[in-house]
Amino acid sequence: EVQLVESGGGLVQPGGSLRLSCAASGFTFSSYAMHWVRQAPGKGLEYVSAISSDGVTTYYANSVKGRFTISRDHSKNMLYLQMGSLRTEDMAVYYCAREKSANTDDAFDIWGQGTMVTVSS
Amino acid sequence: DIVMTQSPDSLAVSLGERATINCKSSQSVLYSSNNKNYLAWYQQKPGQPPKLLIYWASTRESGVPDRFSGSGSGTDFTLTISSLQAEDVAVYYCQHYYSTPLSFGQGTKLEIK
Repeated sequence: EVQLVESGGGLVQPGGSLRLSCAASGFTFSSYAMHWVRQAPGKGLEYVSAISSDGVTTYYANSVKGRFTISRDHSKNMLYLQMGSLRTEDMAVYYCAREKSANTDDAFDIWGQGTMVTVSS
Repeated sequence: DIVMTQSPDSLAVSLGERATINCKSSQSVLYSSNNKNYLAWYQQKPGQPPKLLIYWASTRESGVPDRFSGSGSGTDFTLTISSLQAEDVAVYYCQHYYSTPLSFGQGTKLEIK
């Protein structure tokens, strides 16, 4: 079964750090670009970060640039999001998602269940 | 950056009736070299992740009921549910994947009248 499972969320103080993980299974992880999308409580979807299939190219939304780092480990089929200098506005459910096609820009066909990040003192 | 704007923000439709959600992009998401619109629609139910319904503006994802259809090109797109079922109550989002940064519309909440 094709699956993504996030972990690593939790409660962190403003200014703190957290690393989210996304475990991929059921497909050739190294062939697909991967993304992080977040959703603040009661709000819509916000695109956060992306990484190419080979890990060379990354993208960050302006709201997280310089504070978050996306990475991947093909030996472990894992996607990561290292989050630093966390702010209250970063509080959200964080989803990892896979592009539908391995070879071209495409929609997101597989999503994890999400992991909640709470930023509060 | 491409801005996606959905209308309406919320919609109440009777069971069995047609529901129509619109999405407008601030610039064209039609890629001329392959004549494809880089536009997707997602459904999100409470407590669940988004689910892909439509991609390339009008291609239905496998397993999605045929009452869901997508149309439009360039900057104006529509998601239509031909005969609303109770299980279709959800928030619907459009998304472009034409260029970085990808972005989503603000969402349309669909309820039963």
